[in-house]
Amino acid sequence: KAGVTQTPRYLIKTRGQQVTLSCSPISGHRSVSWYQQTPGQGLQFLFEYFSETQRNKGNFPGRFSGRQFSNSRSEMNVSTLELGDSALYLCASSLGRVGDTEAFFGQGTRLTVV
Amino acid sequence: QKEVEQDPGPLSVPEGAIVSLNCTYSNSAFQYFMWYRQYSRKGPELLMYTYSSGNKEDGRFTAQVDKSSKYISLFIRDSQPSDSATYLCAMSVGNYQLIWGAGTKLIIKP
Repeated sequence: KAGVTQTPRYLIKTRGQQVTLSCSPISGHRSVSWYQQTPGQGLQFLFEYFSETQRNKGNFPGRFSGRQFSNSRSEMNVSTLELGDSALYLCASSLGRVGDTEAFFGQGTRLTVV
Repeated sequence: QKEVEQDPGPLSVPEGAIVSLNCTYSNSAFQYFMWYRQYSRKGPELLMYTYSSGNKEDGRFTAQVDKSSKYISLFIRDSQPSDSATYLCAMSVGNYQLIWGAGTKLIIKP
């Protein structure tokens, strides 16, 4: 059974640019959530989607957005990149509601903003 | 004060030792408790998932939840150098998001 796939694995972008990250969940999983991981802040929740609907959103500025497609694949977008957006972005998939079902993570996309 | 507290370590122990990793939390509404292992430059890997209080065992790993003390633990028996990684605890009230500890860096010395 294939795991969670995130693409690309690495990205280098310039301040002010925008970026789109992709996540393909485990087959049959309908929930996709996104997290940002940095050495200083640890893992922080960005948002969660289930059946194309955003059900919860973390405390991040509006520059961070996401969407989910009918096949459960999800994308997140960061516009007007700042140096502080450099981080490992992780996607997790689960069968149902995150927390009361197990969440499985992808390898992450490492974003570097220069 | 953070909702979930976890000592970042590093915790260094000799091979074969029993390892004890812990998290404390402040939100009594947490019901779901998880332990993840993360190797450098990799995504977190789910090790243990428990609901409410009690113990759960899986191979060399045992997870304990004490809701009355707001304290969770992960024990690793017969530790191996391959267990060297960062161990993250995570918790949820079941509202679509996980709240994370800072992670404990574990080093198993051969």
